[in-house]
Amino acid sequence: DSGVTQTPKHLITATGQRVTLRCSPRSGDLSVYWYQQSLDQGLQFLIQYYNGEERAKGNILERFSAQQFPDLHSELNLSSLELGDSALYFCASSRTTGIETQYFGPGTRLLVL
Amino acid sequence: AQSVTQLGSHVSVSEGALVLLRCNYSSSVPPYLFWYVQYPNQGLQLLLKYTSAATLVKGINGFEAEFKKSETSFHLTKPSAHMSDAAEYFCAVSNFGNEKLTFGTGTRLTIIP
Repeated sequence: DSGVTQTPKHLITATGQRVTLRCSPRSGDLSVYWYQQSLDQGLQFLIQYYNGEERAKGNILERFSAQQFPDLHSELNLSSLELGDSALYFCASSRTTGIETQYFGPGTRLLVL
Repeated sequence: AQSVTQLGSHVSVSEGALVLLRCNYSSSVPPYLFWYVQYPNQGLQLLLKYTSAATLVKGINGFEAEFKKSETSFHLTKPSAHMSDAAEYFCAVSNFGNEKLTFGTGTRLTIIP
């Protein structure tokens, strides 16, 4: 158990819909990262937040957005969902910035039908 | 830009045999390198990391990796495979000031009894 929690574990929805994935980092961790794992794209970095502020952006679609709240939990919002958005979405957290170990949550498996 | 290439999407070894999983990196600045393991239906767990200290890095579960700058490699080894090592292994790179992890495509390790 990494100490990072993600909800829900599984999500099934239809094209065009909007979903919110939630992540609670390890106690004391200030940085949160979101990654997407799909069969065709592999593991890709989406976005990083540090202490409530966006710190880095990767291959995140404009239909996707994220935020980190004052209690440091984070949410990833996916809208206008397409079949190709079906994937495993991981959240990871680290103590601060810099080369700290990133601890991964168990992921949320999203299926868009 | 930084990238990682993992040679061999599937590797099979006999129980008790040497495990060798290959990783080559490309980075325009000194890299930090990581190996993560993913067991079925779980998140990623850090095995070991190289952050410019000793070039031979020892990790959990008997794994180790050696950073070779001249070969731009960071191969993962374990002297004697165990059935519990069956999983998918990911090599990843990041660098100072850019903490996002760039992952390779993964290597699925199968252990033959």
